[in-house]
Amino acid sequence: AQSVTQLDSHVSVSEGTPVLLRCNYSSSYSPSLFWYVQHPNKGLQLLLKYTSAATLVKGINGFEAEFKKSETSFHLTKPSAHMSDAAEYFCVVSDQLTGGGNKLTFGTGTQLKVEL
Amino acid sequence: EPEVTQTPSHQVTQMGQEVILRCVPISNHLYFYWYRQILGQKVEFLVSFYNNEISEKSEIFDDQFSVERPDGSNFTLKIRSTKLEDSAMYFCASKYQETQYFGPGTRLLVL
Repeated sequence: AQSVTQLDSHVSVSEGTPVLLRCNYSSSYSPSLFWYVQHPNKGLQLLLKYTSAATLVKGINGFEAEFKKSETSFHLTKPSAHMSDAAEYFCVVSDQLTGGGNKLTFGTGTQLKVEL
Repeated sequence: EPEVTQTPSHQVTQMGQEVILRCVPISNHLYFYWYRQILGQKVEFLVSFYNNEISEKSEIFDDQFSVERPDGSNFTLKIRSTKLEDSAMYFCASKYQETQYFGPGTRLLVL
């Protein structure tokens, strides 16, 4: 079974300051991990993914995440927040089962607010 | 860049009516999915589809739901007799190399 815990339902930062969105996962197999972003009234956009290659993953819009197996974490960071980063962010896990459908299991989401 | 598309963007229906939500996955993708997001809740897996058959389904995906790939491009989700609790945003996704790409969603409102 796989699960994801997003530790903060809401995060508020000032523009130009660092962003940290926390995620812990649980997986019985070697997981793939993703961060998706959802802007208001929009669909889900892939920010970045980890699929057993480099543990530090760089994504779009300056975001990155580090896979830490010992801590079962996959936290999302960005050095400097921009107003356009305000959105809901989902940490997502998928078990890499061969021949399986590889369904995604979503966290409950973190609403990021960016203030001037 | 190719995208997953979904129609309609919004659908309002009466309880007990049948609805069909349509999706056009990215053309070289082989796995297809439906998820839903009830307002204020997290995104939930409904069903995955590969090689013209369901590969996995969740407890939510009961006999009222069905999926079909009627031709080489469309992937549909049918709800036979809608209930109030089916009101949600429904997302279609298709997969390539472990990554699922999502459509913009169909917002379904059951009255």
